[in-house]
Amino acid sequence: GAVVSQHPSWVICKSGTSVKIECRSLDFQATTMFWYRQFPKQSLMLMATSNEGSKATYEQGVEKDKFLINHASLTLSTLTVTSAHPEDSSFYICSAREPGGSYEQYFGPGTRLTVT
Amino acid sequence: GQQLNQSPQSMFIQEGEDVSMNCTSSSIFNTWLWYKQEPGEGPVLLIALYKAGELTSNGRLTAQFGITRKDSFLNISASIPSDVGIYFCAGQIVNTNAGKSTFGDGTTLTVKP
Repeated sequence: GAVVSQHPSWVICKSGTSVKIECRSLDFQATTMFWYRQFPKQSLMLMATSNEGSKATYEQGVEKDKFLINHASLTLSTLTVTSAHPEDSSFYICSAREPGGSYEQYFGPGTRLTVT
Repeated sequence: GQQLNQSPQSMFIQEGEDVSMNCTSSSIFNTWLWYKQEPGEGPVLLIALYKAGELTSNGRLTAQFGITRKDSFLNISASIPSDVGIYFCAGQIVNTNAGKSTFGDGTTLTVKP
């Protein structure tokens, strides 16, 4: 149980274009999902908390107009990197939390974004 | 905000050796989580701890929630090559911060056959 998928697993895009990354909880409903960014050999940096049916909560320093998050259903959250630039190249990972008392987060396999 | 200090930063060990790593915090947490991440993959949950003093095992892995609630350790016994990866600790303050976790910087484990 508690499987989270991400799509695509990797994407290469040109500078100035937008890229959408999907995060799905496959066998449970997730009222809360988290989006992280990870640079090589570094820890996970929380970008935003995605809540089903409401606006995402962004961490300080993360541009909400650049990283659009939509949590339209209990099993799907999307992250859209708008007007991507080479410095947006990174490993993006989502996680989902099961509702109820457990606060364990289950992570997706990540999406490698390369902006040329 | 909360900060986690995870040590050691990296470990190079021989197959069969035991491994120990720990996390300390300046804040009290009431949940500790340990994850393993392999290259190009997302972190995988290894052990979750919910009570101060709790000692939990998962196969060759054992983790403990410190009595002060400000620390946790993870032990791996009789390491094998597939234990290679980055191990992250994460702390949570339940019922606040929407369940957000604070992550340590990770311990990179290399196991020589």
